[in-house]
Amino acid sequence: AQSVTQLGSHVSVSEGALVLLRCNYSSSVPPYLFWYVQYPNQGLQLLLKYTSAATLVKGINGFEAEFKKSETSFHLTKPSAHMSDAAEYFCAVSGRNTPLVFGKGTRLSVIA
Amino acid sequence: EADIYQTPRYLVIGTGKKITLECSQTMGHDKMYWYQQDPGMELHLIHYSYGVNSTEKGDLSSESTVSRIRTEHFPLTLESARPSHTSQYLCATSSLGQGPTEAFFGQGTRLTVV
Repeated sequence: AQSVTQLGSHVSVSEGALVLLRCNYSSSVPPYLFWYVQYPNQGLQLLLKYTSAATLVKGINGFEAEFKKSETSFHLTKPSAHMSDAAEYFCAVSGRNTPLVFGKGTRLSVIA
Repeated sequence: EADIYQTPRYLVIGTGKKITLECSQTMGHDKMYWYQQDPGMELHLIHYSYGVNSTEKGDLSSESTVSRIRTEHFPLTLESARPSHTSQYLCATSSLGQGPTEAFFGQGTRLTVV
């Protein structure tokens, strides 16, 4: 079985500060890992995905994530938060032919 | 433009009513999914399909049913709505592939049962 754990249901940062959203995964097979963002009353939008080609993955809107097998982690970062980054963020894992399994989500607030 | 369409976007309905949430896609994808999203954000897979006439139950027990008669259409039906069914329902699709294939989401249907 696969699962992800997102540490912190709510993260608050100041505008311009570093954003760090944590995700740890559990998988018995090489995992495929994803980060999604959800704005109010919207569906989920893909930020980035881990393809095993590179451990550091760059996504949209200046976000990136680093796959660390030794730590079973796939944390999401952005060097400088913008007000428009305020949203819900979901980490997800899947196997080769299995549906995505999502974490519980982290709400990011950005303070002016 | 390739997209995923969910209708209605918002629905308020009385207890005991039968409802069908529609999901259609022009993505050309074989895989389709229904996720239920709690008010507290967590998403749970309730049904999925990898092709026509193929449906599976997800991790979360659900009183809903689905059908997949056409590749592009994956409706979800509640025979008798209850207040516990109040939630947001998200439809998603993905392509068949060997690598990490991401899911694409519709905008969701927010259901309130009163």
